[in-house]
Amino acid sequence: GAGVSQSPSNKVTEKGKDVELRCDPISGHTALYWYRQSLGQGLEFLIYFQGNSAPDKSGLPSDRFSAERTGGSVSTLTIQRTQQEDSAVYLCASSPDRANTGELFFGEGSRLTVL
Amino acid sequence: GDSVTQMEGPVTLSEEAFLTINCTYTATGYPSLFWYVQYPGEGLQLLLKATKADDKGSNKGFEATYRKETTSFHLEKGSVQVSDSAVYFCALTHTGRRALTFGSGTRLQVQP
Repeated sequence: GAGVSQSPSNKVTEKGKDVELRCDPISGHTALYWYRQSLGQGLEFLIYFQGNSAPDKSGLPSDRFSAERTGGSVSTLTIQRTQQEDSAVYLCASSPDRANTGELFFGEGSRLTVL
Repeated sequence: GDSVTQMEGPVTLSEEAFLTINCTYTATGYPSLFWYVQYPGEGLQLLLKATKADDKGSNKGFEATYRKETTSFHLEKGSVQVSDSAVYFCALTHTGRRALTFGSGTRLQVQP
């Protein structure tokens, strides 16, 4: 597709279960970002991948959160032992820009609800 | 650390009204400033940007001027349309840094 694709668009899970969220970036984009948007809050940076470099994990809120990017393309964000405070919209973005001049292309997000 | 503060919404206007959405920031040095927009059912997209003091970003009739002295980047449009109804996010970054810092977003509702 032409844009960033995320799946699932909605996920409802029970507290304590693990979830995986998927992101397909725009073809050819070397940079990939995960953000989280909680109700009434701004976008919170989680993790950044750039090419084959080590990812910047400085925004991950706890060790229950992890992400990988396979083959420099698709990324999966995994949340283990989900908690109610993990409920949020998880946004993925990609960028062709190695210099990070700020133009990101966002997907529509995955809405996670933890009961 | 860096932070961005936006006026709370929703902002409700009639078509053809003048729009201002306030944005102020706290950051060291000279960040680049952005406005992103999220239309219903779509992902965020870049609306405009400014990379140095006194620069004016503009797009689709929207404008914002980088004011270093007041650390502000207010979004304006002279005559809004129903199709401008969306959530607007102010953001900043420093060149070479890996993450944008976003404000909490301001919802705009334009009534016919």
